[in-house]
Amino acid sequence: SQQGEEDPQALSIQEGENATMNCSYKTSINNLQWYRQNSGRGLVHLILIRSNEREKHSGRLRVTLDTSKKSSSLLITASRAADTASYFCATAPMDSSYKLIFGSGTRLLVRP
Amino acid sequence: GAVVSQHPSRVICKSGTSVKIECRSLDFQATTMFWYRQFPKKSLMLMATSNEGSKATYEQGVEKDKFLINHASLTLSTLTVTSAHPEDSSFYICSARTLGGSSYEQYFGPGTRLTVT
Repeated sequence: SQQGEEDPQALSIQEGENATMNCSYKTSINNLQWYRQNSGRGLVHLILIRSNEREKHSGRLRVTLDTSKKSSSLLITASRAADTASYFCATAPMDSSYKLIFGSGTRLLVRP
Repeated sequence: GAVVSQHPSRVICKSGTSVKIECRSLDFQATTMFWYRQFPKKSLMLMATSNEGSKATYEQGVEKDKFLINHASLTLSTLTVTSAHPEDSSFYICSARTLGGSSYEQYFGPGTRLTVT
């Protein structure tokens, strides 16, 4: 399969709690990106982390990357009901022509 | 920010007909556009990579005669689903990469939901 795996597949938390999503991939990468998708909509780019970076922050988002384990995590702190969406990791393989390979996604539900 | 539009947003067609979906970069030039397919509650599967002025590169298992891609200009790519069948019903999403951009970031369109009856 060209896709990576994400876990959990679905996550339900209370507003204010933190949400952690994990992504594993298979090939050597140039970078890894996280995207958000609201139901039936297009994707919104959240954050990009390069293969030589280990951690990156953007607002309430924190992303880590462990290239030795071929894994990444996305942490959303102090979640809000508006964070309810599906979250996908996407890797840019080293030998690609800028294409992205998407993970299976995590459906996050933040209960108000 | 960079905006990508898709038209139509929804289309219903009868089995055997062809459907064209447009993907436009509205405020930037895109050397490369990508077409993805997404089944309900599933991830995006890359179908093909489209470069302006050249033939599209299709992913393994994607029928190029079934899914015709034309990238005629730096702001427009089209996907035509030929002789559509119910199993072609899906959410089709395009994305675009900026001209000369060093980032691997792609800008995604809002998607087109195709239903074949």
